[in-house]
Amino acid sequence: SQTIHQWPATLVQPVGSPLSLECTVEGTSNPNLYWYRQAAGRGLQLLFYSVGIGQISSEVPQNLSASRPQDRQFILSSKKLLLSDSGFYLCALGYQETQYFGPGTRLLVL
Amino acid sequence: TQLLEQSPQFLSIQEGENLTVYCNSSSVFSSLQWYRQEPGEGPVLLVTVVTGGEVKKLKRLTFQFGDARKDSSLHITAAQPGDTGLYLCAGSFNAGGTSYGKLTFGQGTILTVHP
Repeated sequence: SQTIHQWPATLVQPVGSPLSLECTVEGTSNPNLYWYRQAAGRGLQLLFYSVGIGQISSEVPQNLSASRPQDRQFILSSKKLLLSDSGFYLCALGYQETQYFGPGTRLLVL
Repeated sequence: TQLLEQSPQFLSIQEGENLTVYCNSSSVFSSLQWYRQEPGEGPVLLVTVVTGGEVKKLKRLTFQFGDARKDSSLHITAAQPGDTGLYLCAGSFNAGGTSYGKLTFGQGTILTVHP
């Protein structure tokens, strides 16, 4: 079975600082991977998805970026955080038209 | 763009009551998932339905996929405080293999079951 790891679990960062959130998966190869942001415990907004190493598609324009340096590693980054980047970030793995989610990272930008 | 309308947004009930959450769209989905999420955790998959008219049961939870595959419902019988959480529906729209497994999510239903 697949396992999804995310770290850190919680992060408090000042406005203008850089960001790096990491997601790694186990138990599968060449998965589709996704980054979501969730505000106030409501619906999920798809930020990026990747179908393979080095292949990134962006769903919404923003100051965030994503990279996939290895098959089972997906990274979400920013050069300068904004207050509006605060939220709950979720990494997901796609399998047979279903997605499985990691535990999430709570980001607070002050 | 496929949209999922989920209702109600909030539900506050007493232990032992029944409830139904609805998920509707104008688009046909190839499959539909229901998730439950607790605060500070990732969503956990409850069920996937793929066939129009399909009904699946998970203990006190009953999931139904509409005949036209444009809507779904989640019914909970005799709700318990442990059912409290955010319930999300999500649809898969397989557009000739170019959807890349992306899901369209409803806005969620926050359920609170009081003892």
